[in-house]
Amino acid sequence: QQQVRQSPQSLTVWEGETTILNCSYEDSTFDYFPWYRQFPGKSPALLIAISLVSNKKEDGRFTIFFNKREKKLSLHITDSQPGDSATYFCAASKAGNTRKLIFGLGTTLQVQP
Amino acid sequence: GPKVLQIPSHQIIDMGQMVTLNCDPVSNHLYFYWYKQILGQQMEFLVNFYNGKVMEKSKLFKDQFSVERPDGSYFTLKIQPTALEDSAVYFCASSFSGANTGQLYFGEGSKLTVL
Repeated sequence: QQQVRQSPQSLTVWEGETTILNCSYEDSTFDYFPWYRQFPGKSPALLIAISLVSNKKEDGRFTIFFNKREKKLSLHITDSQPGDSATYFCAASKAGNTRKLIFGLGTTLQVQP
Repeated sequence: GPKVLQIPSHQIIDMGQMVTLNCDPVSNHLYFYWYKQILGQQMEFLVNFYNGKVMEKSKLFKDQFSVERPDGSYFTLKIQPTALEDSAVYFCASSFSGANTGQLYFGEGSKLTVL
């Protein structure tokens, strides 16, 4: 059973549109939620992250909205660019001595010029 | 930014052979991880390593798998013997403070093909 769920599985938007990627989780002990971006054949890289103390985290064109009560997050990408085309992974971790990340299945985004 | 290096980038071996995947983590990092990714799907946690010891491993970390970091050199994942289902991309990751931020830096992966 997936501990971290993402939707949609894939998405195509036009350049300039706002992209919305969704993520949800079940385990209420998760307290840190990073989003990683992976270009084909490359390593995943941290894009933006949020913790339980925040409802929103913004970094340039990227914003995470966090609904703790419903255990849902969304990543908004404003003014989407063709260079944003990649797979976006939502991840979650909990306090502890390992801090392993549990990844969702990812959303593959294609931004058309 | 910080770089995690992985060697080899691609290895093709016959089923039953041994393979060692090498990882050169970020120099001041203390926590080391291996993840397995099949066909562009999610990355699945295999194991993490701190202070010379395995801290946690998943059910994917079969008995044929082992990790070590002798004398602060490469952090290695050894599979002996390999099986067909071990074909995947293996990502190494490291973190300075595994208990705090959870920010992992990933290498570019070692693609393992078992024939």
